[in-house]
Amino acid sequence: EDKVVQSPLSLVVHEGDTVTLNCSYEVTNFRSLLWYKQEKKAPTFLFMLTSSGIEKKSGRLSSILDKKELSSILNITATQTGDSAIYLCAPTMNYGGSQGNLIFGKGTKLSVKP
Amino acid sequence: NAGVTQTPKFQVLKTGQSMTLQCAQDMNHEYMSWYRQDPGMGLRLIHYSVGAGITDQGEVPNGYNVSRSTTEDFPLRLLSAAPSQTSVYFCASSLLGGDSPLHFGNGTRLTVT
Repeated sequence: EDKVVQSPLSLVVHEGDTVTLNCSYEVTNFRSLLWYKQEKKAPTFLFMLTSSGIEKKSGRLSSILDKKELSSILNITATQTGDSAIYLCAPTMNYGGSQGNLIFGKGTKLSVKP
Repeated sequence: NAGVTQTPKFQVLKTGQSMTLQCAQDMNHEYMSWYRQDPGMGLRLIHYSVGAGITDQGEVPNGYNVSRSTTEDFPLRLLSAAPSQTSVYFCASSLLGGDSPLHFGNGTRLTVT
């Protein structure tokens, strides 16, 4: 059965701290790994990772995929209160050329205190 | 520049009532899906579609029906609402091809009493 596990489930840090969020997956026919940020409403797309070992970066956020370990990490440096959100990961699978049965992890709830 | 539009934003139903949650996208996306989100459970896939006339079940399909008569619309029907269906529902869409991220609607908060 396909499985996605995120850790930690929740995290409280202070502004300026660096955090690392983890996502491990067991899916058949893996294609890529997606990261999303969810504040009050809909999840917003952060990264898509398809190649192992290649870091994707956007400002203070970066992410990397390890296909051998079936995992990905999302790093946030110099955290700000605006980073407070739920961070979700989802592995996509090759399924008729679409994302098909896209399964999300339960998410990591990050709270950044001033 | 509408993206994925869901209506209504909020809904309260009594047990046993039926209703349809609407979802429309204007990006010409072939793939559309419905998720429910409950505290501590993440996003769980209900149904999805890879094109007009084609639908399939996700992780938690029981109690829900879908149809896809056009590329733009993907309504979700609750046949006989139950308190266990109290949740936030998200519709999402993407291009086919596997390398396109999902675009989400703003969600519908449904309460069943």
